[in-house]
Amino acid sequence: QKEVEQNSGPLSVPEGAIASLNCTYSDRGSQSFFWYRQYSGKSPELIMSIYSNGDKEDGRFTAQLNKASQYVSLLIRDSQPSDSATYLCAVNTSPGGGADGLTFGKGTHLIIQP
Amino acid sequence: EAGVAQSPRYKIIEKRQSVAFWCNPISGHATLYWYQQILGQGPKLLIQFQNNGVVDDSQLPKDRFSAERLKGVDSTLKIQPAKLEDSAVYLCASSLEWGGAESTGELFFGEGSRLTVL
Repeated sequence: QKEVEQNSGPLSVPEGAIASLNCTYSDRGSQSFFWYRQYSGKSPELIMSIYSNGDKEDGRFTAQLNKASQYVSLLIRDSQPSDSATYLCAVNTSPGGGADGLTFGKGTHLIIQP
Repeated sequence: EAGVAQSPRYKIIEKRQSVAFWCNPISGHATLYWYQQILGQGPKLLIQFQNNGVVDDSQLPKDRFSAERLKGVDSTLKIQPAKLEDSAVYLCASSLEWGGAESTGELFFGEGSRLTVL
């Protein structure tokens, strides 16, 4: 049974600070890793994907992957109130980064305090 | 480009009644998924289709849930009879062909169908 673990929060961060979200997964065969953002009452939307060890940066977002530790994280720099949402970590084991049906964590509820 | 369409957006039924949800994926997306998201939890995969064939339905409660994707495009998810614990948002998602050269693994979600079972 594939498992993806996240701290449900809420995680409260002051505006302008760095928000750090963490995720661990159980399946060592996991190949692809994703962070989705979900606003209350809305559907998830992809904000970052990462496939190899190390860091991947996109604007204010940085995803970090450590396959040996089975750990993936998301950093949000210069946090804005509009970043307040639930962040879902998702993984799959399909080779080549394909989507064989993502396994999601429960999500971390992030609150950015003005 | 049109997104994933779902209907109805909201449905309230009594336990033991039946309900059906419809999904139209993004044009050209061969893979379609149904997820169940209970309040406060992450989405849970119910079933995955590749064109009109089932790839994974290991977490689908087959005694009450059924899904089909005729002609490899639209899909319908049915619950009969519904239980109180089926109250959730049912998310449909689509992606480019599973394992295909252009597949990035990104899923595109519809707005969801919120089911309340009384």
